Amino acid sequence: GENVEQHPSTLSVQEGDSAVIKCTYSDSASNYFPWYKQELGKRPQLIIDIRSNVGEKKDQRIAVTLNKTAKHFSLHITETQPEDSAVYFCAALLGGGADGLTFGKGTHLIIQP
Amino acid sequence: NAGVTQTPKFQVLKTGQSMTLQCAQDMNHNSMYWYRQDPGMGLRLIYYSASEGTTDKGEVPNGYNVSRLNKREFSLRLESAAPSQTSVYFCASSVDHYYGYTFGSGTRLTVV
Repeated sequence: GENVEQHPSTLSVQEGDSAVIKCTYSDSASNYFPWYKQELGKRPQLIIDIRSNVGEKKDQRIAVTLNKTAKHFSLHITETQPEDSAVYFCAALLGGGADGLTFGKGTHLIIQP
Repeated sequence: NAGVTQTPKFQVLKTGQSMTLQCAQDMNHNSMYWYRQDPGMGLRLIYYSASEGTTDKGEVPNGYNVSRLNKREFSLRLESAAPSQTSVYFCASSVDHYYGYTFGSGTRLTVV
């Protein structure tokens, strides 16, 4: 079936370094790709999203890139800070947009002081 | 502006009991969703309502029913709870499928 694969499941980086999380999707008709951040015990919150007519989008220290040909998209966090520690989920609107978002299984990002 | 409100926050059920999880949004969103979150499994779609008056099955609908009561409210019902339904349940809403979701604070359900 249609799915979204996310890697790595855990990522540990030194404070101030960059972090990259990658996702692949199976449906070439997918056209909307959001990223969510979930802190421990809290609700997921949208941090950035990208649509298929755009290759890259930035918001301060966060950026998302999309490669439609290869069917993958990535989240980039620069100058990581302790408050970036959380679980990050990628998602994609599969099946031509008929259903809700399909989420990856998440990446636990740990920022080492 | 409350956003998406879910009740209850915590619930313990015995196997075979029934219950309804309530969700309401005040953002005039058209679409509403119910997801469950299990360790290592991410968020999996149970049911969704693309607009008032419509509901559709998601990835894991078995054992659940939903009602889109009006534009604001979307409830999830467990008719006969099973231990496999122990999970954290999130309600979400959006303008439509092509926009980001706003999630509720979640319901932690334990079935014993």
